[in-house]
Amino acid sequence: RKEVEQDPGPFNVPEGATVAFNCTYSNSASQSFFWYRQDCRKEPKLLMSVYSSGNEDGRFTAQLNRASQYISLLIRDSKLSDSATYLCVLYGSSNTGKLIFGQGTTLQVKP
Amino acid sequence: ETGVTQSPTHLIKTRGQQVTLRCSSQSGHNTVSWYQQALGQGPQFIFQYYREEENGRGNFPPRFSGLQFPNYSSELNVNALELDDSALYLCASSLASSSYNEQFFGPGTRLTVL
Repeated sequence: RKEVEQDPGPFNVPEGATVAFNCTYSNSASQSFFWYRQDCRKEPKLLMSVYSSGNEDGRFTAQLNRASQYISLLIRDSKLSDSATYLCVLYGSSNTGKLIFGQGTTLQVKP
Repeated sequence: ETGVTQSPTHLIKTRGQQVTLRCSSQSGHNTVSWYQQALGQGPQFIFQYYREEENGRGNFPPRFSGLQFPNYSSELNVNALELDDSALYLCASSLASSSYNEQFFGPGTRLTVL
C-alpha cells in the first residue's frame, strides 16, 4: 500500500465550480500535512499547511481527519489559473526531513 | 522565485553513463533534499544533506550518491544510468532538519536516459 494515496483525476470543471480533492495516508505517526501545487513542467510549491482544526486561505480550505487518516482540499469559485496538479504531502515522524508525496490530482478548469 | 537554482535544466545521457546534477540552496539554508519525479508520479525522496552529512535516505540504490559543500550547495551523482532513471530531479533547500521547516524547491533538472 502506498504511504499517500490520491485520485489522480483528471478533474475537469467549469469556471466557478467548487471542487474537492481527497487524500488518505497509511502512517498514523505522520506529523505534518500539506498541499502543494505543481504547474506543468514546474517545481512543486507549497499551497497550504493542513491542521486538525481546518484552515482556510481565500478560496481554499484544507481539512485533516487524523482518526480516519484523511486529508481534503476544497477549492471554491474555481479560476482558470487553478489548473494544475495538487499534491498531498506528509512530513514523516522521523528526523530525516523526508517529505512524502502522493501521486497528485490533476485539475483542469475550463471556461 | 525561491532562490534555489539547479543545473543543468535538461540533460540527455545513454544507459551506463554517469551524471552529476547541481543545486544551489537558498541563502541561509543549511539543508538540501533531493527528489526524483517520474512522469505522472509525485516526487520520491532520494536523500537529504544537513551540514555536509547525509541525513536520511529513501529507497534508492547506492549508485545514487550525493555531496554537500561548505557553502551548502549540493550535487547528486548517478552512476550506471538506467532507462528508468529518466525523470525530473528536484532539489529543495530548508533551514534545518530537526523539525519541519518549509522546503523550497528549485526548478529541477530533466534527465532523459536513452
